[in-house]
Amino acid sequence: EIVLTQSPATLSLSPGERATLSCRASQGVSSYLVWYQHKPGQAPRLLIYDSFNRATGIPARFSGSGSGTDFTLTISSLEPEDFALYYCQQRSNWPITFGQGTRLEIK
Amino acid sequence: EVQLVESGGGLVQPGGSLRLSCAASGFTFSDYWMHWVRQAPGKGLVWVSRINPDGSSTSYADSVKGRFTISRDNAKNTLYLQMNSLRVEDTAVYYCARDRAYFDHWGQGFLVTVSS
Repeated sequence: EIVLTQSPATLSLSPGERATLSCRASQGVSSYLVWYQHKPGQAPRLLIYDSFNRATGIPARFSGSGSGTDFTLTISSLEPEDFALYYCQQRSNWPITFGQGTRLEIK
Repeated sequence: EVQLVESGGGLVQPGGSLRLSCAASGFTFSDYWMHWVRQAPGKGLVWVSRINPDGSSTSYADSVKGRFTISRDNAKNTLYLQMNSLRVEDTAVYYCARDRAYFDHWGQGFLVTVSS
């Protein structure tokens, strides 16, 4: 199965700063990489699908890029509500797999 | 508005059984593949099982194969996960999720605790 490695494990930033989260796949997944935001006690929220497509209702400050094995989620200017856990997921090969997550915390 | 609401979790002893339900509304349930995903305490998300729209095809993670059974009742717009021979390591929050090639809607999750 494909292993997704997210880095860093924890990212400490201030509101207004730019966040760059990385997801690396153990083998190529083409552009079939998805990003979710997850807050404690809530349902995970779809942010980006197929590497760079923003889901419905997702603000433009969220953007995704990459293909093959290296992917990036960028939040251009952090809002207070953006501090959460972020997971990547690949849907290229079965079984689908998730990264271990990046915790974005307020500095 | 799409809604997925899980129920049926709780505390069970090792070796016991539980059935989770996921009530769907706001969309044509019978058109979609549905999945269960879980998150153990302090861990990441892990895919558990999936079922096709008419319930004729299912898949499972190796860790639950032979112990868990996914099913659905399209007349009741409800997804199920029957969990048997539960182990301590099955302790997790279980989420149902709608498949649009990616998981575009998730339930809020329901905690299953397996402990003596």
